Amino acid sequence: AQKITQTQPGMFVQEKEAVTLDCTYDTSDPSYGLFWYKQPSSGEMIFLIYQGSYDQQNATEGRYSLNFQKARKSANLVISASQLGDSAMYFCAMREGDYGGATNKLIFGTGTLLAVQP
Amino acid sequence: NAGVMQNPRHLVRRRGQEARLRCSPMKGHSHVYWYRQLPEEGLKFMVYLQKENIIDESGMPKERFSAEFPKEGPSILRIQQVVRGDSAAYFCASSPGTSGTVTDTQYFGPGTRLTVL
Repeated sequence: AQKITQTQPGMFVQEKEAVTLDCTYDTSDPSYGLFWYKQPSSGEMIFLIYQGSYDQQNATEGRYSLNFQKARKSANLVISASQLGDSAMYFCAMREGDYGGATNKLIFGTGTLLAVQP
Repeated sequence: NAGVMQNPRHLVRRRGQEARLRCSPMKGHSHVYWYRQLPEEGLKFMVYLQKENIIDESGMPKERFSAEFPKEGPSILRIQQVVRGDSAAYFCASSPGTSGTVTDTQYFGPGTRLTVL
C-alpha cells in the first residue's frame, strides 16, 4: 500500500498567486514526521519544511506553509506568492517513529511538477 | 559551511563494471543515508549508516550492492557488475543524528547520475 500519495502529477500556477500541493499519508504509528522537498531541474533535493505529528500548530517557513489535517491524514504544502524560481518537482515524505525509536528512513511520494507561469 | 558532497556527479559504466559512489556528510553530521531515484519516480530508501555501522539496509538489493561509512573518509556505495537497470540518480543525505524531530532533518547532496551502457 502507498504510504505517501501525491495525486497531482503536474500543476500550473500564475506568478504571484498561491498554490496548494496535495499530500496524503498512511501510517499506524502515532509518532511521525512529514517533510516537503523541492527538486529543481538541476536535480538537487532541497529541504523546505517539516511537521511533527504532535505539533500543535501548522509549520511555516517564509512563503511555505503546511496545512496539516491529522484526522484526514493530509499534509498539503501551500506556496504563497509564487515566483518563477518555484518551478520544480515537489516531493512529500514521511518518517515514522519520529519521537523516539525513529527508523530515520524517509518514505517519498511520486512528486508533483509545478510550473509557474509569468 | 559546506553541504553534503557527492562525487562523481555523473558516472558512466559498461555492463559488468563496478561503480563506486562517494558521499561526504555535512560537518557535524554522523548519520548517512543513501536513496535511489529511478527516472520519473520518487526517491527510494536504500541504506542508513552511522560511522562503521550499518543501521538499516532494508532497501538495499540483496546482491551486488554494498555500502560502508568508515571511521575516516566518505561513505561509499558500491555496485558490482552493473546492469542497465542500475541506471538512476543516487542521492546521499546526512543528518546530525539527534533521534527524530526537525533537528534530525536529512539534507541531501546533489546526487550521482549513473548511466550503464
